[in-house]
Amino acid sequence: DAGVIQSPRHEVTEMGQEVTLRCKPISGHNSLFWYRQTMMRGLELLIYFNNNVPIDDSGMPEDRFSAKMPNASFSTLKIQPSEPRDSAVYFCASSLSRGTHGYTFGSGTRLTVV
Amino acid sequence: QQQVKQSPQSLIVQKGGISIINCAYENTAFDYFPWYQQFPGKGPALLIAIRPDVSEKKEGRFTISFNKSAKQFSLHIMDSQPGDSATYFCAASTRTPLVFGKGTRLSVIA
Repeated sequence: DAGVIQSPRHEVTEMGQEVTLRCKPISGHNSLFWYRQTMMRGLELLIYFNNNVPIDDSGMPEDRFSAKMPNASFSTLKIQPSEPRDSAVYFCASSLSRGTHGYTFGSGTRLTVV
Repeated sequence: QQQVKQSPQSLIVQKGGISIINCAYENTAFDYFPWYQQFPGKGPALLIAIRPDVSEKKEGRFTISFNKSAKQFSLHIMDSQPGDSATYFCAASTRTPLVFGKGTRLSVIA
């Protein structure tokens, strides 16, 4: 298995532009998580899905952020419009369950908004 | 109650020494306590995990010590090597997603 695949690896965009981050989870994993990592705040959970259904999006910072999981093998995190304070590394992770199994993380997308 | 507090923020250890990273939690419902290792440019990777029915778990040079009454758990890295230099995260969960500590940047120097 290739693991959790995220794209793009790096994204540089101008303030106000739309940004879409993509994730392919491990086949057979039924939970998918989007985390944001910054030096100040560490790893923050943005949203998670169970069996393709969004369960908790309370970590999404603003309405500018949205996430979808149209099927078991694909998820997107969209920021529209993007702002400089959105600059961070965004990780997607998948797991066999929400909490009590290990998560497999992707390599992340480093987003820079200028 | 959902927080996991990790210390120290950074740690420098001599090669061959013991690295110790500590975490504390408040939520007594937590029943799964993993540690993750992250190298620059990579995502965190599961290193070792423990459940509260045991006080210690060892895998190679890595040991988790768990103190349920104190609501604390720690990672010990024996015979630390330069290749162990990374950022380490503790985490905790019950049936909810993992809550992560802020991380400890470990540097092992020769």
